[in-house]
Amino acid sequence: AQTVTQSQPEMSVQEAETVTLSCTYDTSESNYYLFWYKQPPSRQMILVIRQEAYKQQNATENRFSVNFQKAAKSFSLKISDSQLGDTAMYFCAFGVYNQGGKLIFGQGTELSVKP
Amino acid sequence: DAGVIQSPRHEVTEMGQEVTLRCKPISGHNSLFWYRQTMMRGLELLIYFNNNVPIDDSGMPEDRFSAKMPNASFSTLKIQPSEPRDSAVYFCASCLRGLADTQYFGPGTRLTVL
Repeated sequence: AQTVTQSQPEMSVQEAETVTLSCTYDTSESNYYLFWYKQPPSRQMILVIRQEAYKQQNATENRFSVNFQKAAKSFSLKISDSQLGDTAMYFCAFGVYNQGGKLIFGQGTELSVKP
Repeated sequence: DAGVIQSPRHEVTEMGQEVTLRCKPISGHNSLFWYRQTMMRGLELLIYFNNNVPIDDSGMPEDRFSAKMPNASFSTLKIQPSEPRDSAVYFCASCLRGLADTQYFGPGTRLTVL
């Protein structure tokens, strides 16, 4: 069975500081991809970043970057220069190629950015 | 692009009533997904379609739930009869081909069954 685990239910960070959210996954598949989605209080699910498992280079999107450790099955999200608008629930998700686009989501980490 | 559109945004109904949730995927997307989000169970995949055909409905909780996709631009999720435990936020998402493409989510429908 494929699982995604986010071990930090809640985190907080001061504005302008850096924070790292953890995610681990379990799979026997070799061709897969990973996402971080953000869900602010508006409840809209917003794509933050995507990582292909076959790529060694870690994905980055402006202030958001990942640390992808394939052997350890770890996929953490680093947010630099945190902003108040980053306050949200963050979900890690995992998908396998040729499985119809199905995603398995972690339970989420609630991040609060404090002024 | 307008993104994934869901209606209604909020629905309050009484136990036993029929509820229909609607979704319009992003134009050109061939795969559509229905999710349910609750505090207890997190985000669960209920069913997904590829080219209007249901591919996997193993997540549908019971026979009271049904989903259809009569054409590429419209899908419905129906609950009949509704129960209080069905109260949740229901999301629709779509992606281009359903192989490994990024899913884009709608704003969700918050359902409350009294």
